[in-house]
Amino acid sequence: QSVLTQPPSVSGAPGQRVTISCTGSNSNIGTGHDVHWYQQLPGAAPKLLINGNNNRPSGVPDRFSVSKSGTSASLAITGLQADDEADYYCQSYDTSLSGYWVFGGGTKLTVL
Amino acid sequence: EVQLVESGGGLVQPGGSLRLSCAASGFTFSSYWMHWVRQAPGKGLVWVSRINGDGGSTHDADSVKGRFTISRDNAKNTLYLQMNSLKAEDTAVYYCVSQGGGYYDEFDYWGQGTLVTVSS
Repeated sequence: QSVLTQPPSVSGAPGQRVTISCTGSNSNIGTGHDVHWYQQLPGAAPKLLINGNNNRPSGVPDRFSVSKSGTSASLAITGLQADDEADYYCQSYDTSLSGYWVFGGGTKLTVL
Repeated sequence: EVQLVESGGGLVQPGGSLRLSCAASGFTFSSYWMHWVRQAPGKGLVWVSRINGDGGSTHDADSVKGRFTISRDNAKNTLYLQMNSLKAEDTAVYYCVSQGGGYYDEFDYWGQGTLVTVSS
């Protein structure tokens, strides 16, 4: 069971807007730690999609954005495209016990 | 261009050992914290170990503490993971990952991964 909770799956039609939630606790997201998001295309390694300050690596379109409130964060994808179909993971830092880096369980995005 | 290339994975029996390597290029390796993150077949991402830039500080997940050792050779731009007393639940793809800032920064570059299978 992951420290950060994500929905197992979301779906949307091309052109639509979808959001993926990431729920944590007062020892990670709730402390103000940044939440970063990664995209894993089928059969590939994960890659950084967008960081907690809404900064995207070169090549990532501005259709992807993030927000955070309290102990939760969200990734929004607008203008959904077929090649957005992938697994998405949120990640933060947890200060409980000895402290460690934590991920959500991942969300499978299906483009209908 | 940043490249992280893992090697050393394979099939090992329970209780056995394996050493993973990650060759880094395209960035100032010694300035970056480095991590190992693993992904069991069909499962999500799990952080394993972290080492700071000069190798003087390490941090391991409870699940591998005392069995795995992360290290680095900045002269060779290479990260290592020594895995001992391997268990079936260690079966996963292991990714080498860089982190440019401190604790709260993103994992900015990922390798392609190397598969470790623990089975008799």
